[in-house]
Amino acid sequence: GAVVSQHPSWVICKSGTSVKIECRSLDFQATTMFWYRQFPKQSLMLMATSNEGSKATYEQGVEKDKFLINHASLTLSTLTVTSAHPEDSSFYICSASPGQLNQPQHFGDGTRLSIL
Amino acid sequence: RKEVEQDPGPFNVPEGATVAFNCTYSNSASQSFFWYRQDCRKEPKLLMSVYSSGNEDGRFTAQLNRASQYISLLIRDSKLSDSATYLCVVNQAGTALIFGKGTTLSVSS
Repeated sequence: GAVVSQHPSWVICKSGTSVKIECRSLDFQATTMFWYRQFPKQSLMLMATSNEGSKATYEQGVEKDKFLINHASLTLSTLTVTSAHPEDSSFYICSASPGQLNQPQHFGDGTRLSIL
Repeated sequence: RKEVEQDPGPFNVPEGATVAFNCTYSNSASQSFFWYRQDCRKEPKLLMSVYSSGNEDGRFTAQLNRASQYISLLIRDSKLSDSATYLCVVNQAGTALIFGKGTTLSVSS
């Protein structure tokens, strides 16, 4: 079945560090990938839509200069949290769909980011 | 009004119980409907898609009422392993998923 790989699964780093998270579709091509964030006891919230070969579309309230998204190929999207601060600590998850419209999406394992 | 609303629970039930979760969505243009399961500190995993005709997968039955913009999930004969958060999810064609906050289920022996 369709598999989405996300790396790293856990990051702990100092405030001010930039952190890059990778999301790969392993056995299918994804022109669109999605990045979500989930704070403790909250629902997943869409951060941005990553489009291969073009700029990402950010949701309201998400700073595009802080959360840099690059979707350089049909199987890889990256999210870089620049100059991370403790309030950026969260669970970040990417998803992609291998099929056409209305197909369920498959999620990466998620990245737990802790900023000290 | 939130796009997808669920009763957060928690639902605490004994093994073998039948439990039902409800969900409403606000966007009448929504086209796809799903139930995902999320275990603590893990990514969501697809439990089942939801179709207008209703669908069943073992102990799980999902129903959709487009007129009322209402989705349900019924779990029969609850197992300890069913303990998790159940997320009601909708989306339009080609767009990201919209998640409810989830309903927490705790099954005890």
